[in-house]
Amino acid sequence: SQQGEEDPQALSIQEGENATMNCSYKTSINNLQWYRQNSGRGLVHLILIRSNEREKHSGRLRVTLDTSKKSSSLLITASRAADTASYLCATDAGWGAQKLVFGQGTRLTINP
Amino acid sequence: SQTIHQWPATLVQPVGSPLSLECTVEGTSNPNLYWYRQAAGRGLQLLFYSVGIGQISSEVPQNLSASRPQDRQFILSSKKLLLSDSGFYLCAWSVRGTDQETQYFGPGTRLLVL
Repeated sequence: SQQGEEDPQALSIQEGENATMNCSYKTSINNLQWYRQNSGRGLVHLILIRSNEREKHSGRLRVTLDTSKKSSSLLITASRAADTASYLCATDAGWGAQKLVFGQGTRLTINP
Repeated sequence: SQTIHQWPATLVQPVGSPLSLECTVEGTSNPNLYWYRQAAGRGLQLLFYSVGIGQISSEVPQNLSASRPQDRQFILSSKKLLLSDSGFYLCAWSVRGTDQETQYFGPGTRLLVL
């Protein structure tokens, strides 16, 4: 079964607004990562947050992690049309070869 | 800098035909390598991963196999394709070391089995 599950499945907002996506997982983790996938393309790593961290920033991205609730959120501030993509969370439970388990993703559409 | 290549970008194959998808990584040594499949409307499913030449771990029983004949080469194969093998296949690598958690993905191969 999937470890990470994103919510909502799809999100449509106006350019300039903030976009918030959530990810829930089931088992204990070492870290959680967010990736971006443009339609029909490979994934691009955005940010990694470790289990002992609560919040992390990278440019217009802000990620939070609540291990007690087994959930994470990704906030994109001042959204741009180029942010239109799917955003997937992935959890790493520390198995041997750093296997990641991905959710299905949130499809984000930024309307100009 | 490191780069990852996958080919072909798109492939249309008849049911029962063989398959060979290739992935190569440049600019790094001893990477962990991964094959994922992304079916329409579904998340990424890890198919195989490898921590070294000739070392392959399979995640799900299926009609596919993987091989790693060289350090930076990862091949996904099938002897006879099924309709259910259609999907978007992604290769990824990660560094063995302190930052090994991050995976770097190739552009993917879209496979349509008819």
